[in-house]
Amino acid sequence: QVQLVQSGAEVKRPGASVKVSCKASGYTFAGYYIHWVRQAPGQGLEWMGRIHPTSVDTNYAQNFQGRVTMTRDTSITTAYMELSGLRFDDSAVYYCARASEGLDFWGQGTLVTVSS
Amino acid sequence: IVMTQSPLSLPVTPGEPASISCRSSQSLLHTNRYNYLDWYLQKPGQSPQLLIFLGFNRASGVPGRFSGSGSGTNFTLKISRVEAEDVGVYYCMQTLQTLYTFGQGTKLEIK
Repeated sequence: QVQLVQSGAEVKRPGASVKVSCKASGYTFAGYYIHWVRQAPGQGLEWMGRIHPTSVDTNYAQNFQGRVTMTRDTSITTAYMELSGLRFDDSAVYYCARASEGLDFWGQGTLVTVSS
Repeated sequence: IVMTQSPLSLPVTPGEPASISCRSSQSLLHTNRYNYLDWYLQKPGQSPQLLIFLGFNRASGVPGRFSGSGSGTNFTLKISRVEAEDVGVYYCMQTLQTLYTFGQGTKLEIK
């Protein structure tokens, strides 16, 4: 069965970077984009960007241009999202999701807390 | 593309129908005649789940009481008879442009 398992919660200082992983299993990793979506406390969903596992094609939302980097390691079927220059308002749950017809499978979410 | 949902809050009596509107600032109709609009439900404490893709196609396992319609810039998600398990926040999302965007969300609650 398709599964996306994300890394655990993180607490970071302002200005630091965080790297969240998303381990995929149960399907051909190379065949589907992985998207990243975040949700600040009590807020809606915000699309951050996507990466194709083989072509390494990436697209980032304008709000995150220059601060986000999405990568992958096909040997371990894992996608990564790194966000730098963390601010207090980057505190959120970060989700990865597989894109098929729609974002059909989602990770469990990773809570990132930015605190001094 | 800016996505605008209404209403933002939707109290519904179980067994009654419910309807959520989603409007886009640009047409989501592709030249291939598909509308690039998806619907998601985020139940309390859970990750979002896909309900509808390409405007009207139900995702695997989604009950038949959910339906999507519309074209161009105006779309609707309908629930024919709301059940208690349908509570949560519903989001539309456009996928026509590479930089996807979500609506603000509509919170459905049971009266």
